Amino acid sequence: GAGVSQSPRYKVAKRGQDVALRCDPISGHVSLFWYQQALGQGPEFLTYFQNEAQLDKSGLPSDRFFAERPEGSVSTLKIQRTQQEDSAVYLCASSSDRYNEQFFGPGTRLTVL
Amino acid sequence: QQQVKQSPQSLIVQKGGISIINCAYENTAFDYFPWYQQFPGKGPALLIAIRPDVSEKKEGRFTISFNKSAKQFSLHIMDSQPGDSATYFCAAMFSGGYNKLIFGAGTRLAVHP
Repeated sequence: GAGVSQSPRYKVAKRGQDVALRCDPISGHVSLFWYQQALGQGPEFLTYFQNEAQLDKSGLPSDRFFAERPEGSVSTLKIQRTQQEDSAVYLCASSSDRYNEQFFGPGTRLTVL
Repeated sequence: QQQVKQSPQSLIVQKGGISIINCAYENTAFDYFPWYQQFPGKGPALLIAIRPDVSEKKEGRFTISFNKSAKQFSLHIMDSQPGDSATYFCAAMFSGGYNKLIFGAGTRLAVHP
């Protein structure tokens, strides 16, 4: 693919519902990052994968947030029992190794009602 | 704790003018300082980046100035164009870790024709 893709682009959830957000990184990219961007703010780091290993999950705001990358390519960010404060744009980025430029996807805008 | 502080929040510049955005950081371990450009509905895209061993880097109309002793860096956009209207984020990274980017809060730039 030409770049990082994310799906869905928009998600509306009722409070308490579980959601799953998908990221397809650039083919061959080893490193994958998830960021959360609140309205009018800069992105904030959530978690980092190197291949299938989740090496840093220090930014996940609560144990309701879970991310996986089982085969070292596609990644899924899951949010359980969504709350209104989870409303944000969730950005995925990938890079060819952890020292290189991070390429961002367009994000998934999550709205929790 | 806001590790990267960015100003101004918003900026209006006339076409052909110079846009200047400033950032300050706290963690002296940071060793990579990129600037990202984000258009509505899109993910951030790398514009230009600098490492602390140089005081200035120029790419086309975009220049980063870096002051290591003051822990500050700035983006200058020369000959600003309406197409430059976007939100700009400074960021910082410690490349000895897992390369998570720490972003500033962003500057919304409007270039008027």
